[in-house]
Amino acid sequence: TQLLEQSPQFLSIQEGENLTVYCNSSSVFSSLQWYRQEPGEGPVLLVTVVTGGEVKKLKRLTFQFGDARKDSSLHITAAQPGDTGLYLCAGALEAGGTSYGKLTFGQGTILTVHP
Amino acid sequence: DTEVTQTPKHLVMGMTNKKSLKCEQHMGHRAMYWYKQKAKKPPELMFVYSYEKLSINESVPSRFSPECPNSSLLNLHLHALQPEDSALYLCASSLEGFSVDEQYFGPGTRLTVT
Repeated sequence: TQLLEQSPQFLSIQEGENLTVYCNSSSVFSSLQWYRQEPGEGPVLLVTVVTGGEVKKLKRLTFQFGDARKDSSLHITAAQPGDTGLYLCAGALEAGGTSYGKLTFGQGTILTVHP
Repeated sequence: DTEVTQTPKHLVMGMTNKKSLKCEQHMGHRAMYWYKQKAKKPPELMFVYSYEKLSINESVPSRFSPECPNSSLLNLHLHALQPEDSALYLCASSLEGFSVDEQYFGPGTRLTVT
């Protein structure tokens, strides 16, 4: 059973289009992180959301944490080829208590932005 | 500075070789992690060290042996690996090791077992 369902798995769009990636769960998360990973490199932390309903913006990227802290979304406006990569959501389960270090990862979204 | 460094960048080893992967961070973090990642998949947690003590071992085969000499350094000793162990090995660090801590990843070591 996948605790954090990420969709879509693959996204291929043209430069200038908008897109949204979703992470959904039936479990509550204390916090949720979004990463972008380019081929052959490690994931780079984009943002952390911790409060239900929270919205954070990073240039053309908008991140939202659901009111119940069970879901999150990443919206990219006017995508550019440089946005190409693997996008990962990863959360800390509230039920995990003080469980050390264990992030629950979504399956990832492979985004390709064509010029 | 949010940099985690890993060496080597690439490693090719035979099934009878012994090699080590190294990871270093200077952010003052007290928790360090090893992950294994297959292509186009999310990272899979292998080990967590918190305050230089092994706090999580995700049932990893004994051919992988972690070592944390101090809070800035993390090694992964490899011996008698199998071809299916070929993957990107990622090191990460966080403030103390709680699951809510932000984790910062290194660039990874691309391991090929022949």
